[in-house]
Amino acid sequence: GAVVSQHPSWVICKSGTSVKIECRSLDFQATTMFWYRQFPKQSLMLMATSNEGSKATYEQGVEKDKFLINHASLTLSTLTVTSAHPEDSSFYICSARASGRAGQYFGPGTRLTVT
Amino acid sequence: GESVGLHLPTLSVQEGDNSIINCAYSNSASDYFIWYKQESGKGPQFIIDIRSNMDKRQGQRVTVLLNKTVKHLSLQIAATQPGDSAVYFCAETPNDYKLSFGAGTTVTVRA
Repeated sequence: GAVVSQHPSWVICKSGTSVKIECRSLDFQATTMFWYRQFPKQSLMLMATSNEGSKATYEQGVEKDKFLINHASLTLSTLTVTSAHPEDSSFYICSARASGRAGQYFGPGTRLTVT
Repeated sequence: GESVGLHLPTLSVQEGDNSIINCAYSNSASDYFIWYKQESGKGPQFIIDIRSNMDKRQGQRVTVLLNKTVKHLSLQIAATQPGDSAVYFCAETPNDYKLSFGAGTTVTVRA
């Protein structure tokens, strides 16, 4: 149990376009979802925390108008990278936290390449 | 802010030997710690966790040790196998909510 999926697994887009990444909890309800960014050979950096039905909380230095997060249901959160630029190229990973259970369950990640 | 760090960025180990991966944390308020394994191009995979009221926890081929006095966490892998080659991250949280990740240790298993 506790499976988290992401779609797409990889995406290439042109500079200036927007890209949406989906994160789904497949067999549990996720009261909270987290979005991380990971650059090559680096650790995971938390971008934002989203709770179902409320606005996301962004970490310091993360532009909320550029990285739009929607957590419309207990099983789905989306991250939209708006007006993407090459420096946004990264590995984006989501995780989900279930009510009453410890820890976070991670998705497989989405590789974004902006050309 | 406070963050979790790892002592060594790489570890090379002979297949069949035991591996020890270390982690230092600085947030004395942290009370829940997790080790994750990340293979190339994949998301982190849960290995084992430990709460601050314990100093040792064992799983299948893995043991986590917690020394709160010196804020040190370690992961021991017994009889390391080629499939254990990956990057290992420790993570900590004071409230079982937001996780802070360490820098990661790349483990390479030699045949």
